[in-house]
Amino acid sequence: DTAVSQTPKYLVTQMGNDKSIKCEQNLGHDTMYWYKQDSKKFLKIMFSYNNKELIINETVPNRFSPKSPDKAHLNLHINSLELGDSAVYFCASSFNRGREQYFGPGTRLTVT
Amino acid sequence: SQQGEEDPQALSIQEGENATMNCSYKTSINNLQWYRQNSGRGLVHLILIRSNEREKHSGRLRVTLDTSKKSSSLLITASRAADTASYFCATLNTGFQKLVFGTGTRLLVSP
Repeated sequence: DTAVSQTPKYLVTQMGNDKSIKCEQNLGHDTMYWYKQDSKKFLKIMFSYNNKELIINETVPNRFSPKSPDKAHLNLHINSLELGDSAVYFCASSFNRGREQYFGPGTRLTVT
Repeated sequence: SQQGEEDPQALSIQEGENATMNCSYKTSINNLQWYRQNSGRGLVHLILIRSNEREKHSGRLRVTLDTSKKSSSLLITASRAADTASYFCATLNTGFQKLVFGTGTRLLVSP
C-alpha cells in the first residue's frame, strides 16, 4: 500500500495554463506539506497544513493555491504557469510538525 | 538563506568502505533529520536526532550532533552499491515551524 501518493507523476504543459497536483496519505497523519525541488536539488517548503488548517505559507506566488479537503488530502493548484515553475513537487506528511516526514514520489512539472 | 550546507557535495567510494557526510546549519534547532533520495524518487527518512542528543545509531547508520558547532555528521559503515543516493540533512527550528533542508551530498558507491 502506498503511504503518500501523488498524481500525476509527470505533467507537461504550456505557459499560461492552469494545472493541479493531487496528494493523498493513508498514514493517519495530521500534517501535510508541499515542497518544491529545483534543478539543483534544492528542496524548499511551500505550504503546510495541520488538521486542514494552513500553518506555513512560504514566500510563494499567489498563483499557487493549496487546498486540503480533509486531513488525508492536500492538493496544489497552479494558475498561469510560468517557465520557472518547472520543478519536481513533493507532497509529504507527518504525525505532528516535529516528527519525521514521509514523502510522496514527486510530480515532475515541465512548463514549455 | 536559512538553508544548511552539506559537505562534501559529492562522494565516491568503493563497496565496503565507510562514508561520512557533514551538515552545518544556522539556527537553534529542536531536532535534525537525515533523509535519502534515490534518483527520481521521493525522500526517505533515515534518522532523527533531538537537540539534547549527541549520537544515535540505526543499523549501519551513525549520526552525531554538536549543537555548539551547529553541525551534524552521518556515517554509513560498510557501504553497499544500494547506498548510492543523495543524502540530505534537515533541521527543525525551535519554533517547530518548518523543516529546512541542506544542499545534499551525492554518494556513489561502486561495486
